[in-house]
Amino acid sequence: DQQVKQNSPSLSVQEGRISILNCDYTNSMFDYFLWYKKYPAEGPTFLISISSIKDKNEDGRFTVFLNKSAKHLSLHIVPSQPGDSAVYFCAAIYEGNRKLIWGLGTSLAVNP
Amino acid sequence: DVKVTQSSRYLVKRTGEKVFLECVQDMDHENMFWYRQDPGLGLRLIYFSYDVKMKEKGDIPEGYSVSREKKERFSLILESASTNQTSMYLCASSLLAPGQLFFGSGTQLSVL
Repeated sequence: DQQVKQNSPSLSVQEGRISILNCDYTNSMFDYFLWYKKYPAEGPTFLISISSIKDKNEDGRFTVFLNKSAKHLSLHIVPSQPGDSAVYFCAAIYEGNRKLIWGLGTSLAVNP
Repeated sequence: DVKVTQSSRYLVKRTGEKVFLECVQDMDHENMFWYRQDPGLGLRLIYFSYDVKMKEKGDIPEGYSVSREKKERFSLILESASTNQTSMYLCASSLLAPGQLFFGSGTQLSVL
């Protein structure tokens, strides 16, 4: 049973527009969420995170929003650039569990 | 910057061979992880280690073993490689568990 779900396997966006990647979770004990970005043939790299006590975290073009009541988070990329084309993974943590719980990823294509 | 180094980018092995995948990190992290990534299946945890000589099974440990004799090095062993172990293997480390993971570049293993 997947505790972290990324329901869109892929997303295509025009350069300069907003990309919105979504992630839903089922475990209300999660207290920290992370987004990773992965290019083909490379390891994932950390992008941005958010604590469950916040509802928004911003880092440059990247903003993550958390809606705890809906058990939903989203990653906004504004403006999108062709170099943002990658697979984006959502992951979650709860205290006492040593492992990250991962979504299956969303492949983002930003078209020039 | 944290550096996680995997010994090979590409490996081709034959069915039944014993395969060693090596991973070294240079930031004195306590925790190290081995994942595999397959299309449509996301990142799946094989094994992790939170201390020297300590290991815990992840979600898919069957057919694999690990070794951590030194803090900076974590090895993944395929005792008898099979074709269904063809995959991208990713090593990661973290200071805290749970916590932000730093990944190596990955090893694309093909078992023929």
